[in-house]
Order: sequence, then C-alpha cells, then structure tokens
Amino acid sequence: GDSVTQMEGPVTLSEEAFLTINCTYTATGYPSLFWYVQYPGEGLQLLLKATKADDKGSNKGFEATYRKETTSFHLEKGSVQVSDSAVYFCALSANSGGYQKVTFGIGTKLQVIP
Amino acid sequence: GAVVSQHPSRVICKSGTSVKIECRSLDFQATTMFWYRQFPKQSLMLMATSNEGSKATYEQGVEKDKFLINHASLTLSTLTVTSAHPEDSSFYICSATQSNQPQHFGDGTRLSIL
Repeated sequence: GDSVTQMEGPVTLSEEAFLTINCTYTATGYPSLFWYVQYPGEGLQLLLKATKADDKGSNKGFEATYRKETTSFHLEKGSVQVSDSAVYFCALSANSGGYQKVTFGIGTKLQVIP
Repeated sequence: GAVVSQHPSRVICKSGTSVKIECRSLDFQATTMFWYRQFPKQSLMLMATSNEGSKATYEQGVEKDKFLINHASLTLSTLTVTSAHPEDSSFYICSATQSNQPQHFGDGTRLSIL
C-alpha cells in the first residue's frame, strides 16, 4: 500500500535558521503530495501541495518540490520564526474507490527558539 | 475556501458514557467524510470512511460497534464513541471531500475519558 516516511523530530532550530524536513513516499500511480501543519491544540491546516512531478508548492515562505525520480517532497524554509513552531505532516493523496484517500507521515515537531 | 466544522472541540466525560462528535461541511456537499484518530505524538490514523446514505467502511482493527458513524446528509457526519473508556481518550479529526477533490479537515475534538 501507499506510505509516507518523514524524519522524526523533534527538530529544534534558532530563529532565522534554515529548515529542511525530509519526506519520501511510496505509491502506485501518480499521487498528489501535501504538507499539513498542526499548531498546538488545533486541527490540520493545509500548508502547501503539489499535484504532479516537478511542481513546487509554496506558502508562507515554505516550499517543497515534487521529485518523482527520488520520490521525495522535502519541506524547506529559508528563515524560520518562533511562530512556525508546530507539527508538520507530509501526506499523499491517491484515488481509491472514487475518492482521494490520504496517507500521512508520522509528523515532525518543529520548535523554534528565539 | 471550503470549511469543515467539527463540534465539540473538547469533551471530558465519565467512563461508560457515549459521546457524539459532529462534522459539518459548511459550504459544500460532502459526498465522502473521513474520521481519523490521533494518538499522542503519532500520526493520524484513518478509522473509517463514510459515504452519504450508506454504511461506513471501517479500517482494519477499528471496532464498528464501538465507533458508530452516521452520514445521513451531504453536510453532516457523526461519530459516536459508545460506552467510552479511558483508552478511547484521543484526538479525533474529521475531513470531508466532494467527489474526487482534496480533503478538508475539521479542527478536531479532544476527547478525555475519566
């Protein structure tokens, strides 16, 4: 079946540091790829997405590129802020029985310190 | 954008009580709704998929008599945790989708059983 592997945290960075959270996937066909963010005590928010190979998703300074050759979708941000502290989930979505079934990675907790 | 409302956001109740959680799509008709459970420091695990007007499809290992799902209309699905016990304490999140579109997530319900 489909699966998503992402680096386990927690990741602790100083403010303005560069962020990379690795994510790789296995799937049949051509899934869409997502990064979701979960702030403490809240639900999931879609951060960015890419629907086909070589697409780059970007939002709020975060970006990720759909790499089919390496089956990866690594999340990057050039300069993190304290407000970016949250749990980040990599996910893929693929057609299953007429609807889009989402498979999540384990989530990576990011803590940004001033 | 599409909005999914989940209620209540938090519930604390005694062991043996049944708890109902509602998931509503506010501005679109959700042909399919999903229920996820998130254990502490873990990813979201799909519990079941429900299509409007039909029985829910449960994932392996999820007790259908324990977690009752009703999807009576295109805008409402409910999850009832029957005779809840402390081990049922968790964060439950619903999502909704229309046809083959991306899922939109609710803010989640933190269930605590004393």
